[in-house]
Amino acid sequence: KNQVEQSPQSLIILEGKNCTLQCNYTVSPFSNLRWYKQDTGRGPVSLTIMTFSENTKSNGRYTATLDADTKQSSLHITASQLSDSASYICVVRVSGTYKYIFGTGTRLKVLA
Amino acid sequence: DSGVTQTPKHLITATGQRVTLRCSPRSGDLSVYWYQQSLDQGLQFLIQYYNGEERAKGNILERFSAQQFPDLHSELNLSSLELGDSALYFCASSVVSGGGSTDTQYFGPGTRLTVL
Repeated sequence: KNQVEQSPQSLIILEGKNCTLQCNYTVSPFSNLRWYKQDTGRGPVSLTIMTFSENTKSNGRYTATLDADTKQSSLHITASQLSDSASYICVVRVSGTYKYIFGTGTRLKVLA
Repeated sequence: DSGVTQTPKHLITATGQRVTLRCSPRSGDLSVYWYQQSLDQGLQFLIQYYNGEERAKGNILERFSAQQFPDLHSELNLSSLELGDSALYFCASSVVSGGGSTDTQYFGPGTRLTVL
């Protein structure tokens, strides 16, 4: 069964600290993996998109990694800011289809 | 501001009723996607249109339907509404069809539907 699991479910960190969010998937065949940031009550915003051949991709303080062999991805946030408080959602697309499998997200709270 | 607009922002209706949600994609985007986000199930892909044609279906109920018009705006019709249909409904758009490509999807602000 195609699934995307994210951990932790929630995370609290102090401003300025780094953190890493995890995404494990069982989606096959794999097309690409996306990370979104979603502020409460607002639409998701795309952070990174990675294909099978990409191991890492950065977007400012956000760096995503992908290990297609172990079917794991991580999102690393450097020098966190209060504005990073949001839900982070991992999405995997099934190759050969237009189907997207969403993780349930990690809710991050950054404290001053 | 993503450039994707959705109306209305909020909608309150009763069970058994029918509603229509509207989405205008970013200028130049040909693909429109609809998603449902409820508290207990997270984001779910419903359906995609590309240049007026249905391209993909996800977990869309038979009571729900959508279409994309020649001016590329899209409407999501929800009928015989049930309490469980209460959710945030997002529309997203992208330039290309979304085939195997890594096209970025830009999400609108969403419509919050409450079914009483």
